[in-house]
Amino acid sequence: DTGVSQDPRHKITKRGQNVTFRCDPISEHNRLYWYRQTLGQGPEFLTYFQNEAQLEKSRLLSDRFSAERPKGSFSTLEIQRTEQGDSAMYLCASSRGGTRNSPLHFGNGTRLTVT
Amino acid sequence: QQQVKQSPQSLIVQKGGIPIINCAYENTAFDYFPWYQQFPGKGPALLIAIRPDVSEKKEGRFTISFNKSAKQFSLHIMDSQPGDSATYFCAASMDDYKLSFGAGTTVTVRA
Repeated sequence: DTGVSQDPRHKITKRGQNVTFRCDPISEHNRLYWYRQTLGQGPEFLTYFQNEAQLEKSRLLSDRFSAERPKGSFSTLEIQRTEQGDSAMYLCASSRGGTRNSPLHFGNGTRLTVT
Repeated sequence: QQQVKQSPQSLIVQKGGIPIINCAYENTAFDYFPWYQQFPGKGPALLIAIRPDVSEKKEGRFTISFNKSAKQFSLHIMDSQPGDSATYFCAASMDDYKLSFGAGTTVTVRA
C-alpha cells in the first residue's frame, strides 16, 4: 500500500490561467474522490468516480472545473480561468468499492494559490 | 450549509488530559460517522468510525460516544500525548461515498 499520491504538492498561478492536478489512487481501489479544503474548514466533496465513470458532481464544481479518470486508474482535475476564490487545498482520496463505508484514504493534497 | 457542526474550534490540554470534541448533525439519514486526524501538510487520516446502532466504540486511546436521540457524537482522547496534537474532523455520511465534514478542532497537548 503506497498510499494516494498527488502531484504537484504546491501550485502558484496567476488569475485566468489554467491548472491541472494529478491523483494516483491506491492501486486496488476502484473509487476515487476529489475534495477541496480551505483554511480553517473541513474538506468539501467535489466529485466521485467509480472506475472511469464520474457518478456525482457537487454544485461547488462550476463549469470551469473538469475531472477525468480515463482508464479507471489515475485522475486529473483541471481548473480553467482560475479565480482567487479557487485558492485552496485540493485533496484526492480513494476507497475500495463494494464494501459498505469502505474507509477513504486521502492523499497529502495539492495546495493551489491564485495570485 | 454545514451539515455537521463541530466544537470547540480549538483546545489545549496537558499531557495525560482528555480532550473532548463534540459534533452535532440534523440529517437523520446519516448512518456513518467517522473521525479523521490531520497533521499540518498532510491529508486527513481515518482514526475511528461508528454506526448509529452502537452507543460507544473504543480503539486504543480513542473513544467515540454516540447519542442518536440527541443527534450528537463526540471523540475522547484518553491519556493524551504531545504526538496527538493535530486537527480533528468529525464527518457524517448517508451513502457510501460522500462525507460531510465538520469545521475541525485543533488540539494542542502540552508536555
